[in-house]
Amino acid sequence: DTAVSQTPKYLVTQMGNDKSIKCEQNLGHDTMYWYKQDSKKFLKIMFSYNNKELIINETVPNRFSPKSPDKAHLNLHINSLELGDSAVYFCASSQAPWGDTYGYTFGSGTRLTVV
Amino acid sequence: GDSVTQMEGPVTLSEEAFLTINCTYTATGYPSLFWYVQYPGEGLQLLLKATKADDKGSNKGFEATYRKETTSFHLEKGSVQVSDSAVYFCALGLKGNTPLVFGKGTRLSVIA
Repeated sequence: DTAVSQTPKYLVTQMGNDKSIKCEQNLGHDTMYWYKQDSKKFLKIMFSYNNKELIINETVPNRFSPKSPDKAHLNLHINSLELGDSAVYFCASSQAPWGDTYGYTFGSGTRLTVV
Repeated sequence: GDSVTQMEGPVTLSEEAFLTINCTYTATGYPSLFWYVQYPGEGLQLLLKATKADDKGSNKGFEATYRKETTSFHLEKGSVQVSDSAVYFCALGLKGNTPLVFGKGTRLSVIA
């Protein structure tokens, strides 16, 4: 009964391919996020959805497209993968569209390697 | 803008040593403050938090006090264990559609 689950855990793919990462939370939270963690462990927010509505869309290439079919799911689709997309991608959720009181619950990450 | 500054790592300590990881913040409002821990190969886990000035968060022997006058939230533990080896992130949260702002992380290695 994992709170925030991501699949796959590892993804190795060639440049130019299109891939998707899925995320599901069973906490009843209204807000979900995608973060990218680079090799130096720096965390950068990419997107946030509140109850299926996009509320944060940071400066990321438009090859990255999030989709939220319902408030428990937030998927990340990446087109035309590049070497620089190699990173660990974390999904997270929170009770409200800000984390000021409760913080976030994170998934265990998807390690994407583009070769 | 809002930001968090953590001490650079890596930090290497012997088992049972005292740990301090410094964290200072800049924020336009009154943030809540968090410490997250990331064990190897895992996601981030909330370690402790404080939501207002002078609050002390504590968990698993770790403590941090929200100091508004010094805009700090330093993480401390009196006696570290090998199992505490991880990357520690300080973060601040504000109301509104603003995501948590994370520091760059501090890697801690504890050797037996």
